[in-house]
Amino acid sequence: DTEVTQTPKHLVMGMTNKKSLKCEQHMGHRAMYWYKQKAKKPPELMFVYSYEKLSINESVPSRFSPECPNSSLLNLHLHALQPEDSALYLCASSQVWLALDTGELFFGEGSRLTVL
Amino acid sequence: GENVEQHPSTLSVQEGDSAVIKCTYSDSASNYFPWYKQELGKRPQLIIDIRSNVGEKKDQRIAVTLNKTAKHFSLHITETQPEDSAVYFCAAIRTGGFKTIFGAGTRLFVKA
Repeated sequence: DTEVTQTPKHLVMGMTNKKSLKCEQHMGHRAMYWYKQKAKKPPELMFVYSYEKLSINESVPSRFSPECPNSSLLNLHLHALQPEDSALYLCASSQVWLALDTGELFFGEGSRLTVL
Repeated sequence: GENVEQHPSTLSVQEGDSAVIKCTYSDSASNYFPWYKQELGKRPQLIIDIRSNVGEKKDQRIAVTLNKTAKHFSLHITETQPEDSAVYFCAAIRTGGFKTIFGAGTRLFVKA
C-alpha cells in the first residue's frame, strides 16, 4: 500500500464549529506532515511529526491542533477557524532520514476546507 | 531563510516541443532536490529527483540537471504531451531535515 488516505475530501464549517481532518498511511513511514495549500501556491508546511512526536510547528495559530495517535494516523483538529483558513489541507508522510533515504513526500489527495 | 526561486511561473508549449523549468536555491546545505507534479485537483506527486552528488538524471522523457556550484537545478521535459499539463514544483531539502522548501510553481500548458 503506497497511499496516504485523507478524510473528509470536502468540509464546510462555520467559524464556531469544531471539526477534525484525518490522515492514514500504512507504508511504515515515521514522519507525517500537515501542509496547507492555497490556490496557485506551493504547499506550506504547518506541522511535522517524527516518531509520533511533534518536531516542527511552523508558528501555526492555536485554532489548528495536530495529533498523532500512532505511527499510522495523523489528525488535525479545527476550532474557531477564520474564512482565510479556507484551503486544501494536505497530509504527507516520508521515511525518517537515514543516509540513503530519499526524503520523498507521499501526499494524500487532501481535504478541501471552506470556512463560512 | 531558505528560499527556492522558480522560473517561469507559466509556460505554454506546443505538443512535441521541449519544456525547461529552472530553479535556484539559497541553502548550500541542501542536498536532495525533488520535482513534484500536481495536476488540477490532484495531489502533488514526485516525478524525478536528484541528489547533490549527481549532476544529471534521466527518466524517459524527463531529466533533471544540477549545478551545485551555482545552486541551480532544472527540469527538462522532451516530446511534451497534453497530459504533461500541470503545475510543477521544484524543491530542496537537507539530509536529515523535515523542511522541504518548495519553489512557487510553474504552470505548464501543452497545446495539442
